[in-house]
Amino acid sequence: QVTLKESGTGILQPSQALSLTCSFSGFSLSTTGICVSWIRQPSGKGLEWLADICWDDGKGYNPSLKNRLSISKDTSNNQAFLKITSVDTADTATYYCARSDWGYNAYYFDYWGQGVMVTVSS
Amino acid sequence: DIQMTQSPASLSASLGETVTIECLASEDIYDILAWYQQKPGKSPQLLIYDASSLHTGVPSRFSGSGSGTQYSLKINSLQPEDFASYYCQNGLSAPHTFGSGTKLEIK
Repeated sequence: QVTLKESGTGILQPSQALSLTCSFSGFSLSTTGICVSWIRQPSGKGLEWLADICWDDGKGYNPSLKNRLSISKDTSNNQAFLKITSVDTADTATYYCARSDWGYNAYYFDYWGQGVMVTVSS
Repeated sequence: DIQMTQSPASLSASLGETVTIECLASEDIYDILAWYQQKPGKSPQLLIYDASSLHTGVPSRFSGSGSGTQYSLKINSLQPEDFASYYCQNGLSAPHTFGSGTKLEIK
């Protein structure tokens, strides 16, 4: 059974750094073809893909936020991490981690975490 | 970046009706498209991938079609649990863009 769960700082002030952790089970980030992404959703709005990290340690970032994002993983402990620097109110959102499997020969998100709400406020 | 334009933004329908949601990609995505369902307060769930393949456990009243830049999601015989938001997603290339969503409400 595949599960993912996000955790991280709930409330931050502008200019601080946001650190998020995705803890997962039922799969391994050392398995060929597996990637974990971070996706966010402001309240009442749409979905925005932020970054991913894959089994081969390949990493991808959304160009619109690339300079502020850093993704990493701890394969032994089944975790993936995202750091966003210099947050502002526009970063207020629910943050999801989700799994992708290149067995589809494409990039789809077949399992999602429940999400963690992050608020940036002074 | 591939832009995904989804329509309509909202849709009202009655139980038992059939509805269609459209998604237009800014360039050919060769059927590499997914549809997700999101209920209030919940995470999105994969419904359809490769434009027309149903994900495991998805009822057959959901179907996807299209090619090139134009895709659609059809829901036959609406059930109470189908009233939710729906998103299309470009699975071809990064950044993995989503449509802006369609909120399906009960009439």
